[in-house]
Amino acid sequence: GEEVAQTPKHLVRGEGQKAKLYCAPIKGHSYVFWYQQVLKNEFKFLISFQNENVFDETGMPKERFSAKCLPNSPCSLEIQATKLEDSAVYFCASSQGDAQDTQYFGPGTRLTVL
Amino acid sequence: RKEVEQDPGPFNVPEGATVAFNCTYSNSASQSFFWYRQDCRKEPKLLMSVYSSGNEDGRFTAQLNRASQYISLLIRDSKLSDSATYLCAVNPSGNQGGKLIFGQGTELSVKP
Repeated sequence: GEEVAQTPKHLVRGEGQKAKLYCAPIKGHSYVFWYQQVLKNEFKFLISFQNENVFDETGMPKERFSAKCLPNSPCSLEIQATKLEDSAVYFCASSQGDAQDTQYFGPGTRLTVL
Repeated sequence: RKEVEQDPGPFNVPEGATVAFNCTYSNSASQSFFWYRQDCRKEPKLLMSVYSSGNEDGRFTAQLNRASQYISLLIRDSKLSDSATYLCAVNPSGNQGGKLIFGQGTELSVKP
């Protein structure tokens, strides 16, 4: 597609439940990024992929968070045993990996952990 | 010190005003710079990439100062519809596929 698609738009989970978020990058883009935005505009980088391969996972919490980008499937970000502090908007972005390397963002998934 | 820092907001300006935002970055190896606009916690939308020579798009002008390690955004003749949060973003690695580091955002409110 010509836009980054994310599902679901909203997700509500009780503490300790699992949450799974999906992202379909723009067709032809080889890089996918996940960011977390909590409260006032603080974006935190989580992980990036180059095609199906993890490119940079320096932002991923070691426990509870995992992500995949498999061929012919949307990318996914999974949080096991959610905590209250995981409540945030999770944005996915994709880029072509060209010289300017602009990242285009999806509409985000708002996760609320109760 | 944060890797990317922006002017604190909010900026409240009347329609037609000129407003400027600055953003400093700490990693001198950074190669790619962007201004995004975010409305009401929706997704950031690319406003402008920032090129070494500076670039202009209608009422918007972006500048890069590598020596002082800052980028700027100038909005001329501001409109009510310019009200949003403006985020600067930097790819500090200089590599393709590198993550973006965002500033904390500057809120702009344009009043009639």
